[in-house]
Amino acid sequence: AQKITQTQPGMFVQEKEAVTLDCTYDTSDPSYGLFWYKQPSSGEMIFLIYQGSYDQQNATEGRYSLNFQKARKSANLVISASQLGDSAMYFCAMRSSNDYKLSFGAGTTVTVRA
Amino acid sequence: EAGVVQSPRYKIIEKKQPVAFWCNPISGHNTLYWYLQNLGQGPELLIRYENEEAVDDSQLPKDRFSAERLKGVDSTLKIQPAELGDSAVYLCASSLGQGWEPQHFGDGTRLSIL
Repeated sequence: AQKITQTQPGMFVQEKEAVTLDCTYDTSDPSYGLFWYKQPSSGEMIFLIYQGSYDQQNATEGRYSLNFQKARKSANLVISASQLGDSAMYFCAMRSSNDYKLSFGAGTTVTVRA
Repeated sequence: EAGVVQSPRYKIIEKKQPVAFWCNPISGHNTLYWYLQNLGQGPELLIRYENEEAVDDSQLPKDRFSAERLKGVDSTLKIQPAELGDSAVYLCASSLGQGWEPQHFGDGTRLSIL
């Protein structure tokens, strides 16, 4: 069974600053993928970034980067230069190589202050 | 390219009434997912289709929920009869079903049961 834990229910960040969202996971599968999604108040789930368990380098996608620490089973999302439009709920999710089902964490609400 | 399209966006019904949600996936995506998202939680998979075949429906409450994906494109999720606890957001997602490419979500249907 897979489990995703996001311990920060809510965070505030000042505009233009960076914010780190924590995500830890538990799985017995050697091959897995980690995903981060953004869900604004309007409801749609927007894919942000992906990290594979065998990737040697941390994933980056524009202002998003993933701090992947495999031994600690953590995959923290870093948002640099926060913008007001970054205010949303952020979900960490994972799936194994033999199952397309995504397991999601409970999410972290980010509020960007001007 | 057009994203995943869901309708209706919002639905309010009385308990014990039937309700149906519709999803049109991204063109060419042969894998389609229905997720349930309760307030303040991450989505949970209800059913996954590969083309027209339901390959994972283990989390679908089959006594009241049903789904179909005729011709392997559009899909409909139905609840009959609806209960108060079914109030939630119903998300549809699609993917190519290959490798580690991400699932792409629609805007969801927000269901309220009176």
